[in-house]
Amino acid sequence: EDQVTQSPEALRLQEGESSSLNCSYTVSGLRGLFWYRQDPGKGPEFLFTLYSAGEEKEKERLKATLTKKESFLHITAPKPEDSATYLCAVQAWTGANNLFFGTGTRLTVIP
Amino acid sequence: SQTIHQWPATLVQPVGSPLSLECTVEGTSNPNLYWYRQAAGRGLQLLFYSVGIGQISSEVPQNLSASRPQDRQFILSSKKLLLSDSGFYLCAWSFAGGPDEQYFGPGTRLTVT
Repeated sequence: EDQVTQSPEALRLQEGESSSLNCSYTVSGLRGLFWYRQDPGKGPEFLFTLYSAGEEKEKERLKATLTKKESFLHITAPKPEDSATYLCAVQAWTGANNLFFGTGTRLTVIP
Repeated sequence: SQTIHQWPATLVQPVGSPLSLECTVEGTSNPNLYWYRQAAGRGLQLLFYSVGIGQISSEVPQNLSASRPQDRQFILSSKKLLLSDSGFYLCAWSFAGGPDEQYFGPGTRLTVT
């Protein structure tokens, strides 16, 4: 059964304090791994897709990496506007187009 | 560019009442469409997906149903709401044939009382 575990559940950082969020996954044939950002009361916003181990993607202060068992979302010198819940999702080759989501990491960046 | 709309934004309904949530996508043709539910403290749960008009796949058996009467319109319905139907309902779309990322709408907050 496909499974996605995100850690930590919540993270508080001082502005400028870099850190990483973890997404561990078990899937029967990874087709893709996706990162989203979700602000309170809003729909998730797409950030990255990673397809193979060793792949990296960057966007502003965010960098996503992928291994065969987990993905990391690195946040460099975060700002208060980076505060949000970050969601990880996997897609298997056997599951049509379905994405299977983790429960997210709630990030708070303190000025 | 593509845009996805959902309405209503919020809804308060009594137990046993019917439900109709609507989602429309602009700027693309023949998208794949999805309905998710997000409950507090839980991940997004896929409810239905559609790869074309009249083609609906259900992921979770429940008292909800979905329909796709037009290419870029997706409707989530119920004949009788349960308390457990409360949650944040999200519609999403993706390009038919890839890439695979899904793009989400603003969501509908449903409270069943």
